[in-house]
Amino acid sequence: DQQVKQNSPSLSVQEGRISILNCDYTNSMFDYFLWYKKYPAEGPTFLISISSIKDKNEDGRFTVFLNKSAKHLSLHIVPSQPGDSAVYFCAASAYTGNQFYFGTGTSLTVIP
Amino acid sequence: NAGVTQTPKFRILKIGQSMTLQCAQDMNHNYMYWYRQDPGMGLKLIYYSVGAGITDKGEVPNGYNVSRSTTEDFPLRLELAAPSQTSVYFCASMLAGSETQYFGPGTRLLVL
Repeated sequence: DQQVKQNSPSLSVQEGRISILNCDYTNSMFDYFLWYKKYPAEGPTFLISISSIKDKNEDGRFTVFLNKSAKHLSLHIVPSQPGDSAVYFCAASAYTGNQFYFGTGTSLTVIP
Repeated sequence: NAGVTQTPKFRILKIGQSMTLQCAQDMNHNYMYWYRQDPGMGLKLIYYSVGAGITDKGEVPNGYNVSRSTTEDFPLRLELAAPSQTSVYFCASMLAGSETQYFGPGTRLLVL
């Protein structure tokens, strides 16, 4: 039972344009959400996170938006750069637990 | 700091063989995790530990065992390898309260 879903396996964007990656979750107990970036043959690396008490968090070119009523979050990358080409995983955790649940990932390709 | 290290990087096992995947971290993190990633899938939690001497099952623990005798090390044991255990295995560590995991580079396991 996939509690965190990323319905777009892949996304291609022109360099300089905005990349929008989406993530949906089903468990209303989730209160912390993270995005990880993964290059081939490497482990995931933390990118940005958001707590459920916020609806937006920014870090440079990366912004995460959270819509709790829709159980949806999105990652915006502006402007997109070729080095952003990677697989992006959405993850979620509940305050009451120690486990993280990951989505299936979205492979982003930024075309020069 | 080496961060999170995993050995081996790649291994081929025959059905029924056993092996231990090694994971070590030098960041004095309390929490450690083992995940597996199958093609086109997200990371699934196998086991995790909140400190030395304490381990707990994740989503997919069957066929695996773990131990945590020190803060630094968290080995994953496969007793009777099966083709279904062909996957990429990631170890991660996290400081309690930080909500951010640091991942190792992964071990690719092929069971034939």
